[in-house]
Amino acid sequence: AQSVTQLGSHVSVSEGALVLLRCNYSSSVPPYLFWYVQYPNQGLQLLLKYTTGATLVKGINGFEAEFKKSETSFHLTKPSAHMSDAAEYFCAVSDSGGGADGLTFGKGTHLIIQP
Amino acid sequence: DAGITQSPRHKVTETGTPVTLRCHQTENHRYMYWYRQDPGHGLRLIHYSYGVKDTDKGEVSDGYSVSRSKTEDFLLTLESATSSQTSVYFCATGTGANSPLHFGNGTRLTVT
Repeated sequence: AQSVTQLGSHVSVSEGALVLLRCNYSSSVPPYLFWYVQYPNQGLQLLLKYTTGATLVKGINGFEAEFKKSETSFHLTKPSAHMSDAAEYFCAVSDSGGGADGLTFGKGTHLIIQP
Repeated sequence: DAGITQSPRHKVTETGTPVTLRCHQTENHRYMYWYRQDPGHGLRLIHYSYGVKDTDKGEVSDGYSVSRSKTEDFLLTLESATSSQTSVYFCATGTGANSPLHFGNGTRLTVT
C-alpha cells in the first residue's frame, strides 16, 4: 500500500524567503506524485505533477518540486514567498499500476507567511 | 474546477437521520471520487466510481454508500448519520488512471 508523509503540519516563513515543504512517499511501484493547494473554504487545486521523465517539475505560481527516487521524496519549493501563498498544501501519490482508485494524500502542511 | 458542483454546500443534521450529498460534473470525466477532510487526517477516500453503476470502496467506507446512475452524477449517502461523520466532503473527478483529480468546493456536514 502506498502512503505519504508530510513533515511539519505548520511551516512559517517570511515574505520573500525560500519556501520548502517536505513530502516523502512509500510505494511498491514507480509512483505518480502530485502537489495540491487549498485556500480557505475552497477545494484543492493542482500545483504540479510528476509522472515520468524529467525529475524537476515546474508548476503554477512559481512552485517547483523534484522527484528523488533514492530518497523517496518530492519536496515542494518556491524561491521567494508571497503573502498570497498562505494556504494548505497537500502532497499525493498514485501508483502507476493502472488502477483508478484515486490518490493517497498526506495530512497537509499549513503554510504561514510572515510580513 | 472541471465544472464540478456539490450540493448542498452546508448541512446540519441530527444523529440517526439519512443524508445524501450530490456531486454533479459537466466535463464527462469517467472517474469520480468522494473524500472526507478532517483536521490531522488530510483527505481520505470514501468511495469511488470508474463508470456508470461501477463503484468500489475506499479507505473509510463504513457507514457510507454511493450511487452513479449517470456519468455526470455521483451521490454519497449516509444511511444513519453519526457525529463521527461530521466533516467536509469533497467530490473529485479524473480523466484516467493516475490522472490528476479535479475537486469541487466541498460540502460542510455537521451531525448534532
